[in-house]
Amino acid sequence: QVQLQESGPGLVKPSQTLSLTCTVSGGSISSGSYYWSWIRQPAGKGLEWIGRIYTSGSTNYNPSLKSRVTISVDTSKNQFSLKLSSVTAADTALYYCARDHCSGGSCYFDYWGQGTLVTVSS
Amino acid sequence: QSVLTQPPSASGTPGQRVTISCSGSSSNIGINYVYWYQQLPGTAPKLLIYRINQRPSGVPDRFSGSKSGTSASLAISGLRSEDEADYYCAAWDDSLSGHWVFGGGTKLTVL
Repeated sequence: QVQLQESGPGLVKPSQTLSLTCTVSGGSISSGSYYWSWIRQPAGKGLEWIGRIYTSGSTNYNPSLKSRVTISVDTSKNQFSLKLSSVTAADTALYYCARDHCSGGSCYFDYWGQGTLVTVSS
Repeated sequence: QSVLTQPPSASGTPGQRVTISCSGSSSNIGINYVYWYQQLPGTAPKLLIYRINQRPSGVPDRFSGSKSGTSASLAISGLRSEDEADYYCAAWDDSLSGHWVFGGGTKLTVL
């Protein structure tokens, strides 16, 4: 059973860089046709996709966040990471990592982490 | 403002059939599959419907999906109290190098 676990600071100061890591267990991050995504959800609001990475290093980003986002992968540690720069209070949210399973010409999020709350405040 | 448009709320009584709509555009729903996720209170979203109308193992056949043009719908028949949750539609958008887009979510209340 694949499991994902987010980790990182729960509090980030405005203008600084938010950094989170997702550790994948129960399977290799390199196996299969999987992208690895970050998704966030402000309190009481909907889901917003941030971006994803394939183990080859290929990435896709949300156009509205692209200038501030970097997603990377470390296959040796079975982890992938998110960096979001120049954060403001609007970046306060529950951040999820998820597996983006691609097969038969379609992709979908089949495994999710439990989420980690990041608050942007001085 | 979400790219896909859903009604913010829906409701029904036990046993009823409810539908939740999701409206998009020619760059997302119009040309790609639609997915539905269920988020129970305090939990991560869970895949409910994929490729428009397919259900993962374990999802009851009370849940079904459909698509027409640039819109999609989720139908829940035989409504049960445990169906009370937030429901999100999602689709890949082919514009701007490609990216996932979500609906704003629909809160389903079982009266």
